[in-house]
Amino acid sequence: EVQLVESGGDLVQPGGSLRLSCAVSGFTFTDYAMYWVRQAPGKGLEWISYIGSRGSPIFYKDSVKGRFTISRDVAKNSLFLQMNSLRAEDTAVYYCARKGLNHDAMDVWGQGATVTVSS
Amino acid sequence: EIMLTQSPATLSVSPGERATLSCTASQSLKSNLAWYQQRPGQAPRLLIFGASTRATGVPVRFSGSGSGTEFTLTISSLQSEDSAIYYCQQYNIWPGITFGQGTRLEIK
Repeated sequence: EVQLVESGGDLVQPGGSLRLSCAVSGFTFTDYAMYWVRQAPGKGLEWISYIGSRGSPIFYKDSVKGRFTISRDVAKNSLFLQMNSLRAEDTAVYYCARKGLNHDAMDVWGQGATVTVSS
Repeated sequence: EIMLTQSPATLSVSPGERATLSCTASQSLKSNLAWYQQRPGQAPRLLIFGASTRATGVPVRFSGSGSGTEFTLTISSLQSEDSAIYYCQQYNIWPGITFGQGTRLEIK
């Protein structure tokens, strides 16, 4: 069964850091590019980052560029999102998602990790 | 950034009837559009990619159409479990994937 399982969500103070993980199983990790998408409370979906199947290319939404870093570890079958200089507006549920093999839509999603930025 | 405008914001339809959801793009997407379903408390689920191709396991009552700037998601013979928020998403412009604001579908 194809699965994505996020972890690492927490309550953090403004200016703090957090690292999200997404453990994948049920498919060959190196065949697929991956995304991070977030959803603020009561709001819609927002794409924030992309990483190619072998670690490149990497793209970020402007609002997180320079603060967030996406990476992947083949040995651990995991995707990561390092988040620094967190702001209140980064409060959201963060989802990892798999890119389709033959299209750029997000064909498998994790259950989400909740990040709350508050003092 | 490409803007996607979904209409209506909320739709209320009776079981067994048809629902039609629209997504309008601020510039041409060719066919690079997807539709997602998000039930309360759940992660989004891919329904349609390439504007009209159903994802694996999606019931045939879900269909997508359109190209360029006008797209439609049609759900025929509505069932109670179709109650959800539906989002369109464009992936024509890289980087810069964007989503519509969503249509809330209520089953009467």
